[in-house]
Amino acid sequence: QVQLVESGGGLVKPGGSLRLSCAASGFIFNDYYMSWIRQAPGKGLEWVSYISNSGSTIYNADSVKGRFTISRDNAKNSLFLQMNSLRGEDTAIYYCARGHPLGRDAYAIWGQGTKVTVSS
Amino acid sequence: QSALTQPASVSGSPGQSITISCTGTSSDVGGYNYVSWYQQHPGKAPKLMIYEVSNRPSGLSSRFSGSKSGNTASLTISGLQAEDEADYYCSSYTSSSTLVFGGGTKLTVL
Repeated sequence: QVQLVESGGGLVKPGGSLRLSCAASGFIFNDYYMSWIRQAPGKGLEWVSYISNSGSTIYNADSVKGRFTISRDNAKNSLFLQMNSLRGEDTAIYYCARGHPLGRDAYAIWGQGTKVTVSS
Repeated sequence: QSALTQPASVSGSPGQSITISCTGTSSDVGGYNYVSWYQQHPGKAPKLMIYEVSNRPSGLSSRFSGSKSGNTASLTISGLQAEDEADYYCSSYTSSSTLVFGGGTKLTVL
């Protein structure tokens, strides 16, 4: 079945780095745009980064620009988020999400999320 | 980019209809027909309910409908059911080629 499985979350000190991964299965990965979307504890959803199906187009939220880098490996059906210079406000559940086949900027498939905690 | 504005909470009785609003600007909601709505139950990942203002994903109940007027989009749920109780979020594409979400609305089924 269509599935996204995130991994790589954990506890990290402020200023540290983490690399999140998202393994995709059950669909043709390189047909779809993808995003990382996060949710701080008790808060709403916040879009983080977008990557086109080929990887040639990338957009980032201002809050992570210069610190986070989205990438994908279509041969390995995987999406990544390299997070550097982490701050307390980056503490959240991070979801990878797949674009809708017909809709623009709509996310039809979500992973279960991976928790990132930034604390000393 | 400021978050889109949604009411913090709405409520309704089973069988009734409710509408959740999502207000942005001409740089997001008003400027593009790329508004989506998501439902999120506690501890679960969000679920896409509406895309491109008024389109329902395949298999989704017709009780859910979306619309837009000017800078405000709306999600209407008719024939309210207990399982509709959840948080609802709108999102919109923006003129900066980014995506912005609303703050979320907690729907209570009385």
